[in-house]
Amino acid sequence: GENVEQHPSTLSVQEGDSAVIKCTYSDSASNYFPWYKQELGKRPQLIIDIRSNVGEKKDQRIAVTLNKTAKHFSLHITETQPEDSAVYFCASRGSARQLTFGSGTQLTVLP
Amino acid sequence: DSGVTQTPKHLITATGQRVTLRCSPRSGDLSVYWYQQSLDQGLQFLIQYYNGEERAKGNILERFSAQQFPDLHSELNLSSLELGDSALYFCASSPDSMVYGYTFGSGTRLTVV
Repeated sequence: GENVEQHPSTLSVQEGDSAVIKCTYSDSASNYFPWYKQELGKRPQLIIDIRSNVGEKKDQRIAVTLNKTAKHFSLHITETQPEDSAVYFCASRGSARQLTFGSGTQLTVLP
Repeated sequence: DSGVTQTPKHLITATGQRVTLRCSPRSGDLSVYWYQQSLDQGLQFLIQYYNGEERAKGNILERFSAQQFPDLHSELNLSSLELGDSALYFCASSPDSMVYGYTFGSGTRLTVV
């Protein structure tokens, strides 16, 4: 089945700096790559997604890039703010019908 | 409010017991997915239903079972509970089996003592 690896597991940045989280996937048939943000004790919330026919997608301070050849995709957060502190999960939809999630990245934005 | 409703929010029970977690999907969504999130762990896929039928199974234990009813709500049954079953159990729904537009409920926190 699909395997998704996510790095780093923890990331600390100064407020205003950029943060980058990277994921790799194994299933070459994967065609949908969402990112979720989970605050402590709350549900994961979709923040951005990208489909395999697109190389990059932006939404204000958040962007996702996809390299299908290398089977990796990344989340970029610019001008980080304290409220960006959370656990971020990448996910991939491969040949199976469900999303496979990465192990998560704890992002801490230091004031 | 995501539109996906999970009950109860919290559940404390003893080892060996059986519990039922309930999920009502967002209006119009036909697919329901169950995930388990243990402490400091990622989201582990358990099972998916689409319009009443089981569509995919993940690492779901034999002690666990699920179903989706004609009104599309779903129940996850956990039996012979062990301490290691303590976790957050999330339900998610999407409009169809293609998983686009995956929305999570607020989860049920299960504590087995």
